[in-house]
Amino acid sequence: GQNIDQPTEMTATEGAIVQINCTYQTSGFNGLFWYQQHAGEAPTFLSYNVLDGLEEKGRFSSFLSRSKGYSYLLLKELQMKDSASYLCAVRDSNYQLIWGAGTKLIIKP
Amino acid sequence: ETGVTQTPRHLVMGMTNKKSLKCEQHLGHNAMYWYKQSAKKPLELMFVYNFKEQTENNSVPSRFSPECPNSSHLFLHLHTLQPEDSALYLCASSQRAGDADTQYFGPGTRLTVL
Repeated sequence: GQNIDQPTEMTATEGAIVQINCTYQTSGFNGLFWYQQHAGEAPTFLSYNVLDGLEEKGRFSSFLSRSKGYSYLLLKELQMKDSASYLCAVRDSNYQLIWGAGTKLIIKP
Repeated sequence: ETGVTQTPRHLVMGMTNKKSLKCEQHLGHNAMYWYKQSAKKPLELMFVYNFKEQTENNSVPSRFSPECPNSSHLFLHLHTLQPEDSALYLCASSQRAGDADTQYFGPGTRLTVL
């Protein structure tokens, strides 16, 4: 079957750096997405990786290794507003999105 | 503001009620999606519409009935629901289904079935 694994919950300190990992086993691969979802709000698009390597966007970076079935989202200079759930999703060979259960990130002062 | 709106934001209904969820996208997209989000579970894809045609129905019980009158509007009609149907129902849109496009989500309807 198809599976996306990511930690259920992580805690970090304001101003620090945190890395959220995502591993996947899917039928084919056509890209990996990261979304941010604040409680009670819409998931919002953060990043898309289809080739190996690091994509940087301001304080957020996303890394992909297709051979290892692995990605991570790196958040730098953490702010209180970064407290949210982070969803990893992989597009399979049928262009269906397979979702992880999300990682709840708690930022402490 | 993602360009996708959903109403109502919250809904409480009994098992014998009939209600409808509404989604509207202002992004000029041609594909629309219904997802179910339960606590600590992955998003479950329910229905996909591409250019107003239903292209996906992921074994969803018949008590959920989608309707897509045009590419900008999507409805989910609910009847005789069960308490386990309580969840956040998310609508999303993208340029085209079955393609490498990003999906944009609405804020969801928090549904509680008593």
